[in-house]
Amino acid sequence: AQTVTQSQPEMSVQEAETVTLSCTYDTSESDYYLFWYKQPPSRQMILVIRQEAYKQQNATENRFSVNFQKAAKSFSLKISDSQLGDAAMYFCAQETGANSKLTFGKGITLSVRP
Amino acid sequence: DTGVSQDPRHKITKRGQNVTFRCDPISEHNRLYWYRQTLGQGPEFLTYFQNEAQLEKSRLLSDRFSAERPKGSFSTLEIQRTEQGDSAMYLCASSPWDTQYFGPGTRLTVL
Repeated sequence: AQTVTQSQPEMSVQEAETVTLSCTYDTSESDYYLFWYKQPPSRQMILVIRQEAYKQQNATENRFSVNFQKAAKSFSLKISDSQLGDAAMYFCAQETGANSKLTFGKGITLSVRP
Repeated sequence: DTGVSQDPRHKITKRGQNVTFRCDPISEHNRLYWYRQTLGQGPEFLTYFQNEAQLEKSRLLSDRFSAERPKGSFSTLEIQRTEQGDSAMYLCASSPWDTQYFGPGTRLTVL
């Protein structure tokens, strides 16, 4: 079975600083997608960034970037210039199986200190 | 707005009652997923539709759960004879291919 592990339940960052959220996964597949989703207190899940496993280049979306280490099965999210609006729960997810369902980690609660 | 919508947003019911949730996916997304999320946990996959065909169901989906997607448009998730353990957020997501977009969810509370 596919597993996604987020070992840090909570993290805190000072506004304007950088924070890295960790994620590891386990899969026997060679081609797959990885995602980071953000879930603010309003609870709607929002896509932050995605990475295609066959691409060696790390994905970047504005202040969000990933460090994708395929051999180590590691997929961390870096948030630069943290803003108060970044405070949320962040989930790492892997697309699995022929039907592309997502397997999620337990999530990490990020707080941003003003 | 063309995002995924879900109705109702909140549902409180008594144990033993039946409930039905609706999901309207993003137009032209042929893939639709249902997930369940309990407090403090990540979502767990329940079932998947490609157009109107239900192609995968999780072991989590007991016989009391049924889902449909008539004509490949909106989808419904019904829970019969609800139990307190069914209390959770039920999330719907749609996808054109490789990225899923989530709705706001339906929060179910079973008393």
